[in-house]
Amino acid sequence: AQTVTQSQPEMSVQEAETVTLSCTYDTSESDYYLFWYKQPPSRQMILVIRQEAYKQQNATENRFSVNFQKAAKSFSLKISDSQLGDAAMYFCAYRRGEAAGNKLTFGGGTRVLVKP
Amino acid sequence: NAGVTQTPKFQVLKTGQSMTLQCAQDMNHEYMSWYRQDPGMGLRLIHYSVGAGITDQGEVPNGYNVSRSTTEDFPLRLLSAAPSQTSVYFCASRRMGQVRSGANVLTFGAGSRLTVL
Repeated sequence: AQTVTQSQPEMSVQEAETVTLSCTYDTSESDYYLFWYKQPPSRQMILVIRQEAYKQQNATENRFSVNFQKAAKSFSLKISDSQLGDAAMYFCAYRRGEAAGNKLTFGGGTRVLVKP
Repeated sequence: NAGVTQTPKFQVLKTGQSMTLQCAQDMNHEYMSWYRQDPGMGLRLIHYSVGAGITDQGEVPNGYNVSRSTTEDFPLRLLSAAPSQTSVYFCASRRMGQVRSGANVLTFGAGSRLTVL
């Protein structure tokens, strides 16, 4: 079974600084997808960024970027120029391929605190 | 442009009571699913469906029933609520197919907080 591990329960960052969240996963598959979701106090799950395993280039979305290390099974999220609105829980997630029924497996989450 | 709509947002039940959490999506997504979120455990899949009339179990299905009579709706039923089912429940949907399109991302509802006393 696939597992996703987020080893940092909480991270603190100064506004305008950079923070990196760690995520490792365990899989024997070669075709899969990785995601980072943000969950603010409103509870809404918001997709931050996604990465297809077959793509070597790291995904970026504005101030958010990932460091995808396929051999090491590592998928870290970097938040640059942190803003107060970035304060939230962040979840790393994995999904195997495109086949029907492939579920999203989540890590336990990392709480990000942004200090003004 | 409603997306995924869950009702109710909050519910308090007594042990042994039954209830249904409603989920509706207006995006014509084939895939729908229910997750529960417990502190420190991320989200875990309860049940899912790949189309009307088709449902299957996820990681933690015990104590829950689902049905999918239409593409739009995917209700989650608790037949006899237990305190262990106190949690936040999320419904999520996505398109299927289009291999390697990268577009098949789960869209989540706003969540339903359930407390069982």
